[in-house]
Amino acid sequence: QVRLVQSGPEVKRPGASVKVSCWASGYSFTAYYIHWVRLAPGQGLQYMGWIHPYNGDTNYPQTFQGRVTMTRDTSANSVFMELTGLTSDDTAVYFCARDVAVGFDSWGQGTLVAVSS
Amino acid sequence: QAGLTQPPSVSAGLGQTATLSCSGNTNDVGKGGAAWLQQRQGHPPKLLAYRNNNRPSGISEKFTASRSGNTASLIISGLQPEDEGDYYCTAWDSALRLYVFGSGTKVTAL
Repeated sequence: QVRLVQSGPEVKRPGASVKVSCWASGYSFTAYYIHWVRLAPGQGLQYMGWIHPYNGDTNYPQTFQGRVTMTRDTSANSVFMELTGLTSDDTAVYFCARDVAVGFDSWGQGTLVAVSS
Repeated sequence: QAGLTQPPSVSAGLGQTATLSCSGNTNDVGKGGAAWLQQRQGHPPKLLAYRNNNRPSGISEKFTASRSGNTASLIISGLQPEDEGDYYCTAWDSALRLYVFGSGTKVTAL
């Protein structure tokens, strides 16, 4: 079955960077877009952009441009999301999700990133 | 980028019907429809419906989605305590080539 497995929780200092991984199994890795979404305490889901594992193409909302970078390693069936210049506002659970062109049908378990001095 | 507009909360009695709305524009909801996600505390979001009224396998028929123009709707029939949670609509914005999300609606069963 389709599985997305994310890396473990992280604690970071303000100004640091974090890189979260998302390992895919159970389907053709290069066939579907992977998107990233985060959920901060007391907030709604916030969309962070996408990467296509086939060619590495990416697109990010203006909110995150310049701070987020999504990459992939096709040999490891993995995508990565790096966020720089962390502040306390970036404390959230980060999710990767597979897009089957009609919606996000499979999700990772979530990775908690806590930013604290 | 502006997101989709959802009411912050909706409540209905146990066994009753809850109706959620999601307003977008001609580039997103009006073009390709909306998908609906259920997010319960401690769990990743779950896809309930896509392209207006298609349900992934395993999703109950109690969730019915529709669209009229630039507005999508989700009807939850026979509301139960396990249906409580946050519901988000999302749509592909063909101009931005990005998804846009609603701010979420908290559903409460009275």
